[in-house]
Amino acid sequence: RKEVEQDPGPFNVPEGATVAFNCTYSNSASQSFFWYRQDCRKEPKLLMSVYSSGNEDGRFTAQLNRASQYISLLIRDSKLSDSATYLCVVNLNYGGSQGNLIFGKGTKLSVKP
Amino acid sequence: NAGVTQTPKFRVLKTGQSMTLLCAQDMNHEYMYWYRQDPGMGLRLIHYSVGEGTTAKGEVPDGYNVSRLKKQNFLLGLESAAPSQTSVYFCASRPVGAQETQYFGPGTRLLVL
Repeated sequence: RKEVEQDPGPFNVPEGATVAFNCTYSNSASQSFFWYRQDCRKEPKLLMSVYSSGNEDGRFTAQLNRASQYISLLIRDSKLSDSATYLCVVNLNYGGSQGNLIFGKGTKLSVKP
Repeated sequence: NAGVTQTPKFRVLKTGQSMTLLCAQDMNHEYMYWYRQDPGMGLRLIHYSVGEGTTAKGEVPDGYNVSRLKKQNFLLGLESAAPSQTSVYFCASRPVGAQETQYFGPGTRLLVL
């Protein structure tokens, strides 16, 4: 089983739609969680951290379920500019891991007019 | 504050040639990382460093060497390039802290013929 798994997509949605991405992780020792956004031919950029209590940043909501080892990202009222690949990222941060990040392969989102 | 910068942005090599990729960060971060990103493979960690003068192997270290002589710089070397090393290389850095995430440079596109 891969350490961080995501549906690769692509998700093709119309402007204004609500879209949800899911991610599962295999290592229960994982300590912190993030969603990154990567535009075509660009570097990954931090979108938001994910906390157990859930957190919201404008149209974006992230949720974490430690019991199920499951992370989600919800985007409301999709914009054309939301088109990108969304990476689910986990920080093991234990023992010899030195806080290295484990990246999912990403879910591609395409928002159409 | 330039963040994380990478040199060069693009390079073409012939099989067997050597080259060094430079990563520089001006955020006084302790930790630095080199990744490669290939289609369908996601980001994979090559080597990392937890401080000046220290380096460690990541997931895919073979064929690469690194050095961290100064805190702000992390060099990735290819001694004898192979076509399998054609990829996009990203450098990242982060501060010390369990919940801290990584900040990426713009990437270096390498083509080995």
